[in-house]
Amino acid sequence: EDKVVQSPLSLVVHEGDTVTLNCSYEVTNFRSLLWYKQEKKAPTFLFMLTSSGIEKKSGRLSSILDKKELFSILNITATQTGDSAIYLCAAVDRGSTLGRLYFGRGTQLTVWP
Amino acid sequence: KAGVTQTPRYLIKTRGQQVTLSCSPISGHRSVSWYQQTPGQGLQFLFEYFSETQRNKGNFPGRFSGRQFSNSRSEMNVSTLELGDSALYLCASSFTGDQPQHFGDGTRLSIL
Repeated sequence: EDKVVQSPLSLVVHEGDTVTLNCSYEVTNFRSLLWYKQEKKAPTFLFMLTSSGIEKKSGRLSSILDKKELFSILNITATQTGDSAIYLCAAVDRGSTLGRLYFGRGTQLTVWP
Repeated sequence: KAGVTQTPRYLIKTRGQQVTLSCSPISGHRSVSWYQQTPGQGLQFLFEYFSETQRNKGNFPGRFSGRQFSNSRSEMNVSTLELGDSALYLCASSFTGDQPQHFGDGTRLSIL
């Protein structure tokens, strides 16, 4: 059965700390891996990773995919209170037109001032 | 450009009733997917539509159904509501399968 596992499930840090969020996946027809940030409403798109070893970066956030070991990490440096959210990773199954997403349970990140 | 729009934002229903939720994708996006999010199960795939055809379906009972119209807008229907159907229902759209899916704010459904 396809699955995506994220760790840790919960993380509490202080402003300025650096965090690493983990995502492992087992999807039969893997196409890509997506990271989303969810606060109170819609998950908002962060990164889409399709190739191994190529780091994607956006400000203080960066992410990389390892297709051999079937995992991805999301790094956040110099964390701020506004980074507090649930971070979701999703593996995309290429076996459909749009790409069915298999989501992990998410990592609840809390950043204290 | 406008994002994915879902209506209504909140719904309260009682067991046995039925409900219809609506989703308007980002302009130009022809693919729409629906997900159910609950604290216990996380985000789970319901179904996917492209060009008015259901292309993929998740592991949900037949009480959950959907459709897509020629303008790419989509609706999902849940009949004979059960307490366990209480959840946030999210719709996502994408231009193609190689592009990321973008989510609407969801419809929060509560069953009393």
